[in-house]
Amino acid sequence: KQEVTQIPAALSVPEGENLVLNCSFTDSAIYNLQWFRQDPGKGLTSLLLIQSSQREQTSGRLNASLDKSSGRSTLYIAASQPGDSATYLCAGFHTNAGKSTFGDGTTLTVKP
Amino acid sequence: GAVVSQHPSRVICKSGTSVKIECRSLDFQATTMFWYRQFPKQSLMLMATSNEGSKATYEQGVEKDKFLINHASLTLSTLTVTSAHPEDSSFYICTSAGGGYTEAFFGQGTRLTVV
Repeated sequence: KQEVTQIPAALSVPEGENLVLNCSFTDSAIYNLQWFRQDPGKGLTSLLLIQSSQREQTSGRLNASLDKSSGRSTLYIAASQPGDSATYLCAGFHTNAGKSTFGDGTTLTVKP
Repeated sequence: GAVVSQHPSRVICKSGTSVKIECRSLDFQATTMFWYRQFPKQSLMLMATSNEGSKATYEQGVEKDKFLINHASLTLSTLTVTSAHPEDSSFYICTSAGGGYTEAFFGQGTRLTVV
């Protein structure tokens, strides 16, 4: 059974700092890995999707990598801003678009 | 990407009543839909998987008679919380797969509060 772990559970940084969020999974047969953002009381906003044949994806100040052999994914946020404050979730998809297992999330606070 | 529409976004109901949540794939045929639940300060947990025209498959610990899932068409799946109780208060979200896409698409979620 796939298990997804996110470290740290919470992170507080000053504005402008670069940071890395970690996601590890136990089943290397993971297909897609996706990073989401969730604001308090809101739904999910998809940030980056790394498909099976890919190793990383970039969007603006965000960069996500996937290493299936080590069972790890990282989300790198450059030059953090207060608006980046949210909970970040990673999810491992079991098949090409099948059911997923979510991590518990990292709650990020970026202080002005 | 494709669009999945989920309604309602928020609902408050009295204990003992039933609530229906709809999930529609607007521009593709969703052969499979997944329903997740998120309790406060916790992550999303898969409740059930539904395939169009067949019975849903429930995850361990999820009561199938309480959480009725219907996937009668390729564009619509519904989750009915029957005889809701305050402990059913949660955030429910659907995701759809199919239509040739290699990723799943998420609905906006429904925040259910049972009073």
